[in-house]
Amino acid sequence: DVKVTQSSRYLVKRTGEKVFLECVQDMDHENMFWYRQDPGLGLRLIYFSYDVKMKEKGDIPEGYSVSREKKERFSLILESASTNQTSMYLCASRMDRGPDTQYFGPGTRLTVL
Amino acid sequence: AQSVTQLGSHVSVSEGALVLLRCNYSSSVPPYLFWYVQYPNQGLQLLLKYTSAATLVKGINGFEAEFKKSETSFHLTKPSAHMSDAAEYFCAVSPGYSSASKIIFGSGTRLSIRP
Repeated sequence: DVKVTQSSRYLVKRTGEKVFLECVQDMDHENMFWYRQDPGLGLRLIYFSYDVKMKEKGDIPEGYSVSREKKERFSLILESASTNQTSMYLCASRMDRGPDTQYFGPGTRLTVL
Repeated sequence: AQSVTQLGSHVSVSEGALVLLRCNYSSSVPPYLFWYVQYPNQGLQLLLKYTSAATLVKGINGFEAEFKKSETSFHLTKPSAHMSDAAEYFCAVSPGYSSASKIIFGSGTRLSIRP
């Protein structure tokens, strides 16, 4: 089975802190994604990566950056956390192409005070 | 631009009744379409997907969806609801075959099952 793991299930940070969310997949997938999920808004894509060291902005990249130094790991960075970044963050991976299934991690619920 | 619209943010049905969750898409190229389910406190998992083979797609847990190009729809159905079907359901479209294709998700439909 494909496994996507996220470093924390729950995280509480203060405004202005730098926050790292880590995601690891164990199936040698090419593509990895970061979403945030908010009630009534569904999943919104923050960034995705289709290869090591490659990244593309999604629909809401402002206030976030990403890093993919190794194929299995995709990190989401909040340079200076703000209260409007309180949300559920979901990581996903996909083998390669458009019709391939995305596999999701369990999510990290981030609260910024 | 590609988009997905899910009609109804919340659907409630009785146990044993038909489940119908609606999804309409917009895509400038032949789409790949997905339904994902999210149980409480979990990530999303794939229910089924359409990849231009058969238009009627069968998925897990008795769910199926039919791709109707003329109506730009991909509605999800299940003949008889079970209490364990209570979850949030997301329709999604991937508008291209390339490795750089993003998946676009709808806003989700929460399904409740009445005893």
